[in-house]
Amino acid sequence: GESVGLHLPTLSVQEGDNSIINCAYSNSASDYFIWYKQESGKGPQFIIDIRSNMDKRQGQRVTVLLNKTVKHLSLQIAATQPGDSAVYFCAEILPGDYKLSFGAGTTVTVRA
Amino acid sequence: DSGVTQTPKHLITATGQRVTLRCSPRSGDLSVYWYQQSLDQGLQFLIQYYNGEERAKGNILERFSAQQFPDLHSELNLSSLELGDSALYFCASSVGNGNTGELFFGEGSRLTVL
Repeated sequence: GESVGLHLPTLSVQEGDNSIINCAYSNSASDYFIWYKQESGKGPQFIIDIRSNMDKRQGQRVTVLLNKTVKHLSLQIAATQPGDSAVYFCAEILPGDYKLSFGAGTTVTVRA
Repeated sequence: DSGVTQTPKHLITATGQRVTLRCSPRSGDLSVYWYQQSLDQGLQFLIQYYNGEERAKGNILERFSAQQFPDLHSELNLSSLELGDSALYFCASSVGNGNTGELFFGEGSRLTVL
């Protein structure tokens, strides 16, 4: 089964604040991680990915951090907006595998 | 809009019945993936096809089958339906053969089995 899992099922954030969503994984061989966002009534949408040869990767208002020592990754959203309210999933593709395995999601709610 | 089209959007049927879910991938994408999303199981990978051939298989029940046609659209067939098969079924596509984490998901087909 998948080795990724999220720390908290829900997160409430004040609009304008930064959000941090955490994810842990258990398989030391895991080397490719991906974050997805799923808005209500829609399919998951790719946000950002990171491979194990990197510790950090930045996108538009998002940063993913990977700590291989403790098998932990996080997604940081800067200046959280109402449109960021969604369920966020971390996922992985194991070496030699073709399937994208999702962890359980974190529901982020942005307070006005 | 991801470019992936799924039909039907909603489907209500009875136990023991059979349904077919259809997926048209993004133009140019060769891989099609099927996922099942239920409240207690999250997003579960079912199966992947690449250019008409089965590439990877997940926790897909024997009552379920899929195929990808020469025009690259795919169908997921669910038979002998049970109450527990009620879920959202997502199709996704990608350009490559599965070595990318960037999949483009459709909006899903919601199946309700009564």
